[in-house]
Amino acid sequence: EAQVTQNPRYLITVTGKKLTVTCSQNMNHEYMSWYRQDPGLGLRQIYYSMNVEVTDKGDVPEGYKVSRKEKRNFPLILESPSPNQTSLYFCASSLAPDGLSRQYFGPGTRLTVT
Amino acid sequence: GENVEQHPSTLSVQEGDSAVIKCTYSDSASNYFPWYKQELGKRPQLIIDIRSNVGEKKDQRIAVTLNKTAKHFSLHITETQPEDSAVYFCAASYSGSARQLTFGSGTQLTVLP
Repeated sequence: EAQVTQNPRYLITVTGKKLTVTCSQNMNHEYMSWYRQDPGLGLRQIYYSMNVEVTDKGDVPEGYKVSRKEKRNFPLILESPSPNQTSLYFCASSLAPDGLSRQYFGPGTRLTVT
Repeated sequence: GENVEQHPSTLSVQEGDSAVIKCTYSDSASNYFPWYKQELGKRPQLIIDIRSNVGEKKDQRIAVTLNKTAKHFSLHITETQPEDSAVYFCAASYSGSARQLTFGSGTQLTVLP
């Protein structure tokens, strides 16, 4: 089954404790992206990747890191989480980085930083 | 960069009535406009999309219209049903855009039985 998976689905952590949220897709998609969703603000892009070893900042990259060592995986790293990073995070992928391809979303990761 | 505004933020309709959600975009280069539906606790799912070479697209009870001159596009849902209750997001992007989609802030649609 074609899908985007994320882990963990729920995470409660404390300020400053490094964490990684994994994202994986099995559709051989070139493009992958991370969004955060906050009430009233819609989905805001954090980072995106056009292909392996090609990543760039989205609208709200501060406090986040990403890597794309393999085509299927695109982990999101919070080196020193803070309470303002409490949010719902979605990973997404699309076939081509052409701006015209349908994006497929993962199930989401709800992160709480205390 | 692109900016997408979406209205209204909440919308309540009676079952069987129509619902219309409107979005405006700022970048005249944008040429791809998808709509996503997000049910409570679920991921966003694409329900319909339109490209700038088309003025209207329809899929059963859902339609999207695009006015490139005015830079706005709308989602129309006819004969609404309770299962249409969800948050709807519009988005815009343009071909060749590495950043891809810019999303509106969402509309909470409630269909009252």
